[in-house]
Amino acid sequence: DIQMTQSPSTLPASVGDRVTITCRASQSISSWLAWYQQKPGKAPNLLIYKASILQRGVPSRFSGSGSGTEFTLTISSLQPDDFATYYCQQYNTYSYTFGQGTKLEIK
Amino acid sequence: QITLKESGPTLVKPTQTLTLTCTFSGFSLSTNGVGVGWIRQPPGKALEWLAVIFWDDDKRYSPSLKNRLTITKDTSRNQVVLTMTNMEAVDTATYYCAHRKTAAGGVLDTWGQGALVTVSS
Repeated sequence: DIQMTQSPSTLPASVGDRVTITCRASQSISSWLAWYQQKPGKAPNLLIYKASILQRGVPSRFSGSGSGTEFTLTISSLQPDDFATYYCQQYNTYSYTFGQGTKLEIK
Repeated sequence: QITLKESGPTLVKPTQTLTLTCTFSGFSLSTNGVGVGWIRQPPGKALEWLAVIFWDDDKRYSPSLKNRLTITKDTSRNQVVLTMTNMEAVDTATYYCAHRKTAAGGVLDTWGQGALVTVSS
């Protein structure tokens, strides 16, 4: 099984901050990495796939990078609507694994 | 526009079998590369992938749950069914189904609203 490890688990930040979330895979997944945003009581929303491709309709302040085993999600200037939980997910093989999530909270 | 919706019981008893149905529109499960996956999320916890079924009836399961899961499709009715046997309290969760986007390498791009299932006697 491929394991996904996200850090940090919680990230206090303020509006306007630049923040970065890291995701590590237990083995190489090439660029088969997605990022989701989830708000309380809602289904996850796809932000980025194939490590760096922005899903249609997602604001350009979101960006992703990395390949192999190390990946990052960056939000260039936090907006009030961005406070949520973020998950990475690998889809390298015909199966899927999620990270444990990063809760972005107001400092 | 792709939409998916989960349906099934909201309450099941321990040891019972859970059957959930995902009814979708906006795509066909007979199209090359298409798939539908199931994911769950216990209250306050992380997402956990459960299973996926592909257009060619190939199926993959989470290694930790594969002995309890069965996924099937009914292409003509645009439905995917997930069954999970021997339910326990730890299986209490919101269960989601999602569309597998072929063009994006298989990412789960569109999700249903989720269905909360509680396991209790």
